[in-house]
Order: sequence, then C-alpha cells, then structure tokens
Amino acid sequence: TQLLEQSPQFLSIQEGENLTVYCNSSSVFSSLQWYRQEPGEGPVLLVTVVTGGEVKKLKRLTFQFGDARKDSSLHITAAQPGDTGLYLCAGAETSGTYKYIFGTGTRLKVLA
Amino acid sequence: GAVVSQHPSRVICKSGTSVKIECRSLDFQATTMFWYRQFPKKSLMLMATSNEGSKATYEQGVEKDKFLINHASLTLSTLTVTSAHPEDSSFYICSASKLDRGFTDTQYFGPGTRLTVL
Repeated sequence: TQLLEQSPQFLSIQEGENLTVYCNSSSVFSSLQWYRQEPGEGPVLLVTVVTGGEVKKLKRLTFQFGDARKDSSLHITAAQPGDTGLYLCAGAETSGTYKYIFGTGTRLKVLA
Repeated sequence: GAVVSQHPSRVICKSGTSVKIECRSLDFQATTMFWYRQFPKKSLMLMATSNEGSKATYEQGVEKDKFLINHASLTLSTLTVTSAHPEDSSFYICSASKLDRGFTDTQYFGPGTRLTVL
C-alpha cells in the first residue's frame, strides 16, 4: 500500500515566520499535487508538479518535487493569517488509474 | 476553469433513510470522478472511483451495497448512502478528473457535503 507521510502534523507560528512542510513516500508518483483545505470546504488545488526536481512558485509559496518523484516540500515565506488551513499533498499513482494517494495532512495556524 | 459542485451542502436525515449526493463538473467533462470521506481533523479517504458508463470501483472495506454510485453522464456522478446509520455521519467530498495541459490528470474537488444521521 502506498503511503504519503506529511510532517509536521500540526504547526502554529507567528505572522511573518517561514515554514516548510514535507511530504514523503517510498513510492514513485507520476505527479504530485498540493491542496489547501479550510474547515467545511473541499480542498483547493495550489499546484501540480510533474518532473523530478521541479520547483514551482506561487507568490510566497515554493513547491519542490524530489528528484526521484517520491517526495515533495512546500515552503511558505513570511506566513500570514490567511495561510491558515489544512495542507494536503496527493500523489498520483503511476498505474494509470488516476487515483490519488493523499498525505496525512498538515494543519497550519498562523497567529496575527 | 475547473469547477465542481456538490448538492446538497448539508443534509440531516433519520436513521434508516437513504440520502443522495450529487457531484457535477460545471465547465468540463469528467470521465472519472472520485468519492472521498473525511473524518474530523483527518485527511481524505478514497471510497470509490466512478467511471462514466461503467461500474464504480470501490476501495477495500467500502460496502458497495451501502454506498451506491452512479455516473450517469460526463458531468454528473451521484453517491447514495442507503439505510443510513449514525456512523455514516461524515463529510463526503467528490472530485472530478481533468486533463490539464494535455498530459496531467488533476483532480478538482467539490465543496463537500456534511451528512448527519440522527
């Protein structure tokens, strides 16, 4: 069974601080997605990374896909209270089923 | 765009009744949709893969007679929770798969349905 472990599980930081969330697996994925989810809502896609070593930036968020396509990281610079939410990584299986394996989630709280 | 809607957003029902949840892709066609269940403060758990024009594929441990899935068209999938019990209370989320940039299948999620069974 493929598993995606995220760390840390919980993170509470002050506004303006930087943070990194990790998403690790022993399996290879054809692509990896990062989502943010707020309470009572569905996950919203932040980014898709496809190529090993790929780095994508979305304003203050930087996403990296590991060279072997088994892991990924999300770095947030100068966090703001609006960044608060549940961050989920999801790896797309390579078997062509279009299924995602979701990470265990990182709950981020940014205090003003 | 890639917008997915779900209806209803909230439903409260009595134990023993059936509840139908609709998932629609509004601005694209989706041959594949997925149904997830999410427990409080937890990640998403895949229940089944819904394919247009064929039977759904259920994950291990998910009762197919309990959670009926129908993918009637390229923009609509429905999940029916039959003979609901309090333990079925949960947040149900659907997603629709869209081919982005011609080569990457990306799942876009609906806003979820909060089911409460009394």
